Amino acid sequence: NAGVTQTPKFQVLKTGQSMTLQCAQDMNHNSMYWYRQDPGMGLRLIYYSASEGTTDKGEVPNGYNVSRLNKREFSLRLESAAPSQTSVYFCAIKLPGLASETQYFGPGTRLLVL
Amino acid sequence: AQSVTQLGSHVSVSEGALVLLRCNYSSSVPPYLFWYVQYPNQGLQLLLKYTTGATLVKGINGFEAEFKKSETSFHLTKPSAHMSDAAEYFCAVSGSYNNAGNMLTFGGGTRLMVKP
Repeated sequence: NAGVTQTPKFQVLKTGQSMTLQCAQDMNHNSMYWYRQDPGMGLRLIYYSASEGTTDKGEVPNGYNVSRLNKREFSLRLESAAPSQTSVYFCAIKLPGLASETQYFGPGTRLLVL
Repeated sequence: AQSVTQLGSHVSVSEGALVLLRCNYSSSVPPYLFWYVQYPNQGLQLLLKYTTGATLVKGINGFEAEFKKSETSFHLTKPSAHMSDAAEYFCAVSGSYNNAGNMLTFGGGTRLMVKP
């Protein structure tokens, strides 16, 4: 998984509960991304971060917040979980340089909201 | 805006048969194109990519794809399917950029089943 770790691997929440999904990389890259994967819809971008301290909204940011306090870690927070947020969440990094333009993904976090 | 359409959410082939997974895209700028594979309960693994240059791209595990600009397609093929190829395959296009680099848009995925 290209040096990208995600915790936890699996989580069950009740509606209204909060939690933070953690993503860490060991390769000192600037760009990091959070996606959600739902059946038949591929992956959709939630938030991304170009560098430490900067974050931007993706396609489906509602109900989520993110934090990039340092270069290594990019966390995704659900303040009040809803059943619609049941999904598989993937963190990704992008190698530097225009010649690359390739994203590499972590192993994912499966979230079930009851 | 950019989009990706993968024709066929499920494809079934016999072991040893040709694998063809279809991908059509739209992009307002010259695209970068990617195929990723996802095995059960795992993350996405890069299979191959087209950025510039040769339009026939070879990837891992014997897969290849051809960028056809006139048809806005990037179909994935493998001459002979193996049982281990059973997985979900995602086509993605990158044509828009911001300070975080390329923005990927994914297709809905195609689940490949290989029959013995």
